[in-house]
Formats: sequence, C-alpha cells, structure tokens
Amino acid sequence: DQQVKQNSPSLSVQEGRISILNCDYTNSMFDYFLWYKKYPAEGPTFLISISSIKDKNEDGRFTVFLNKSAKHLSLHIVPSQPGDSAVYFCAASARNAGNMLTFGGGTRLMVKP
Amino acid sequence: EPEVTQTPSHQVTQMGQEVILRCVPISNHLYFYWYRQILGQKVEFLVSFYNNEISEKSEIFDDQFSVERPDGSNFTLKIRSTKLEDSAMYFCASGFLAGVGEQYFGPGTRLTVT
Repeated sequence: DQQVKQNSPSLSVQEGRISILNCDYTNSMFDYFLWYKKYPAEGPTFLISISSIKDKNEDGRFTVFLNKSAKHLSLHIVPSQPGDSAVYFCAASARNAGNMLTFGGGTRLMVKP
Repeated sequence: EPEVTQTPSHQVTQMGQEVILRCVPISNHLYFYWYRQILGQKVEFLVSFYNNEISEKSEIFDDQFSVERPDGSNFTLKIRSTKLEDSAMYFCASGFLAGVGEQYFGPGTRLTVT
C-alpha cells in the first residue's frame, strides 16, 4: 500500500536554515492532510494539518503547502532548530473513508547545531 | 495539556496468549482509534470506534482483535491469541471530529510476542 509516500528517508540541515519535507499521495479522495513528528519510544505528535480546500497553512515556524494537481504536500520549518530533529510523518484521510489515517513511511530530520 | 495515556508501556507475552492493551483517551474526544507500527514499517490503521461501536476497521483487524470501551474513560484493544507477527508498537489515538479532524496519539505499548 503506497497511497502516501515520503521518498526521502532522511534529511540533514544546518540550524537556522529551512527544512523542507516532502510527501506524495496517489488517492485523489484524500481531502485532509496532517504532519506528525515522532521521537523514539514516543507516539506521533500532531504538528499541523491542511484541508484540501486550502493550499497553505501556517503555524509559527511550520508551514504546510498542498499542491492538489501534483498530489504533493510539503512541510517547511523555518528556522530549523536542533530540537526539531525527529522522524516526520505525513498522513492523509478521506471524508468518505471514515476516520482512518494513512501514513507515509517517515523522513528522519537531523538539524545540526 | 490533556494527553492520551496507554498502559502498559511494554508487554511481553507468549504466542497463543491473550493480551489487553489499555488506553485513556482525551476526555472530551468522541472518536477513538488503534494503530500499530511493526519495526521498520509504516504506522498502520487498525480500527476506529465511535458511539460505542466500530466505525471502520482494516483487514489487519481480524477476528483475533476486539475493542471495547468498558466505562467512560478507558478504551481497550484485546488480541485473543497472539502470534509472533503481532509484535509491534500499538498506538491509541483520539479525536474530537471525524474525517477532517486531528488525531492525538498516546505514547504506545510495545508488544513482544515470544
């Protein structure tokens, strides 16, 4: 099941620079998208979400962009901080498919001081 | 800040035994979920629960699995006869809205079946 894909397993950026994490999806019925952050031995922590009626949502240092025609979303973190180092998952849901989230495989972000 | 809690944090059991994983969702949430993550794999949806009944389940959630909300606060996942391949992190989540709402995850229970 590859409905949600994160093609970069890891990303390394310098503190203060921008981190861009990418996610692609194939199911055109998805209408809500979320980003979660996960530390080892912890559960996913909700970061930010976006509805398919929008193309951008911003919350502090985090901005999610949605390109529906390309079935692509991205998470921008500006400026990146060492505490942002974690695994980031994108997830998607479809209103007509109940409440289930379909997750990507995750991208490990390392922010170097 | 309210959070989802799960117990135990780690459960070791022998193949064929029954296990019950426990969760306390956020108190004003109406939707409850179980997900699992096998080591090195994606987080996978198991089941969602609303208004005291299952609203969605995946093909992983076969007859060996059941969920229950025995009182106003707990939400449990039972695996009747565990198999080696049930070894995984099991995450409980809860949400206030359906379909377009955020889901908030607990810290997980690591289940090891030997």
